[in-house]
Amino acid sequence: DAGITQSPRHKVTETGTPVTLRCHQTENHRYMYWYRQDPGHGLRLIHYSYGVKDTDKGEVSDGYSVSRSKTEDFLLTLESATSSQTSVYFCAISESGGPSGYTFGSGTRLTVV
Amino acid sequence: AQTVTQSQPEMSVQEAETVTLSCTYDTSESNYYLFWYKQPPSRQMILVIRQEAYKQQNATENRFSVNFQKAAKSFSLKISDSQLGDTAMYFCAFMRGDLSGTYKYIFGTGTRLKVLA
Repeated sequence: DAGITQSPRHKVTETGTPVTLRCHQTENHRYMYWYRQDPGHGLRLIHYSYGVKDTDKGEVSDGYSVSRSKTEDFLLTLESATSSQTSVYFCAISESGGPSGYTFGSGTRLTVV
Repeated sequence: AQTVTQSQPEMSVQEAETVTLSCTYDTSESNYYLFWYKQPPSRQMILVIRQEAYKQQNATENRFSVNFQKAAKSFSLKISDSQLGDTAMYFCAFMRGDLSGTYKYIFGTGTRLKVLA
C-alpha cells in the first residue's frame, strides 16, 4: 500500500535461525503495529509502537521482539524461529492510534522449515 | 475480554445478487468501534466500512452497508449487486480504547466469500 512497505515479501528459513522483518513507512505516523495472520485465528497483535523507542506487547508476543529507532522503521525479530511461527505477518500504521482505522502493509509470508 | 465471532467460514453468491456476512461480538463496553475489512488474494487489507457504537444509523459505503444491532451485539455486512472483484476474505473487527488511550483491534476469524459468474 502507498506509504507503507514490508520486506521481504516472502521468506523461508530454518528452525533455530534468527529472522528480522522490516516495516517502513513514509507517512510519519506515530503508531506502528505487527500482526500475524493464521487460519482460524484472524489477525492477532504481536507488538506495537507508540513512538521512537516506545513499544509494548500484544496478545501473542512470546518469541518475538521489536525495535523502533526511527519513526519510519519498525522491525520484528524472531530470535530463534520455530515452525509455529510460520505465518503471514502484517505491519500497520496509524496517525493517532485512534479509532479511524489502520493502513496495512502487503504482508510477509514466513515459512519456518 | 472482547471476542469477535464470524460463524460462516465460507460463502458464495451469484454475480449481481446480494449477500450478507454475519458477525457477533461480546463486550461489556458501551463505547467502541466496529469495522469490516476485505482481504483479496493479493493479501492487502482494505477497510470496507466503519461504525461507531454510539451512532444508531447504519453505515453505508456504496454497495456495502451494515446492520448494526447494539443490543444483540451483531454487526452484519450486506454487499449488494455483488461483483467478481468482491471475491475475498472478509474480516470483522472490534476496537476500543484501553486505559492508556491506545486503540487495538480484535479480529474475527474471517469469512471467505466467492462471487460466481
